[in-house]
Amino acid sequence: GENVEQHPSTLSVQEGDSAVIKCTYSDSASNYFPWYKQELGKGPQLIIDIRSNVGEKKDQRIAVTLNKTAKHFSLHITETQPEDSAVYFCAASKDQAGTALIFGKGTTLSVSS
Amino acid sequence: DAGVTQSPTHLIKTRGQHVTLRCSPISGHKSVSWYQQVLGQGPQFIFQYYEKEERGRGNFPDRFSARQFPNYSSELNVNALLLGDSALYLCASARGLPYEQYFGPGTRLTVT
Repeated sequence: GENVEQHPSTLSVQEGDSAVIKCTYSDSASNYFPWYKQELGKGPQLIIDIRSNVGEKKDQRIAVTLNKTAKHFSLHITETQPEDSAVYFCAASKDQAGTALIFGKGTTLSVSS
Repeated sequence: DAGVTQSPTHLIKTRGQHVTLRCSPISGHKSVSWYQQVLGQGPQFIFQYYEKEERGRGNFPDRFSARQFPNYSSELNVNALLLGDSALYLCASARGLPYEQYFGPGTRLTVT
């Protein structure tokens, strides 16, 4: 089955710096890759996603890149702010009925002002 | 529009008891999935329902069961609770399959 590895497990940056979180997946049939942000005491919030027919997607300060050949994808956050502090999860799935999102173990991002 | 709602927010049960967790999807969403999140880990898939039919099942024992109602809300049932069932149980809804999944706030279950 699919396995998703996520690195680093913790990341500390200064406000205004960029942050990059990387994930690798094992199943070459996976074709949908969402990223979720989870704040303390809340459920995961979908922040951006990418499908395998696209190499990069941006939404304001966040961007996701996908390398299908290497089976890895990354989340980039620019101009980080204290409110970006949270746990970030990557996930992968085949994007078809009955298939689950397979999550990485998460990255705790701390942005200090 | 209201997001995914789950009830109860928290509950404490004793080993061997049974628990029912409830989920209401976003209006217009017909798919509900259940995930278990143990502290410090990513969510793990339990069930997926679409149009009241089970469409996927994760690697969980038969003590776990679920159903989806005509109004697309869903229940997750866990029998014979074990200490290891203590976790945050998350419900996610989607317009259909396959579409983006949106999570609720979760139900924190503690088994003592």
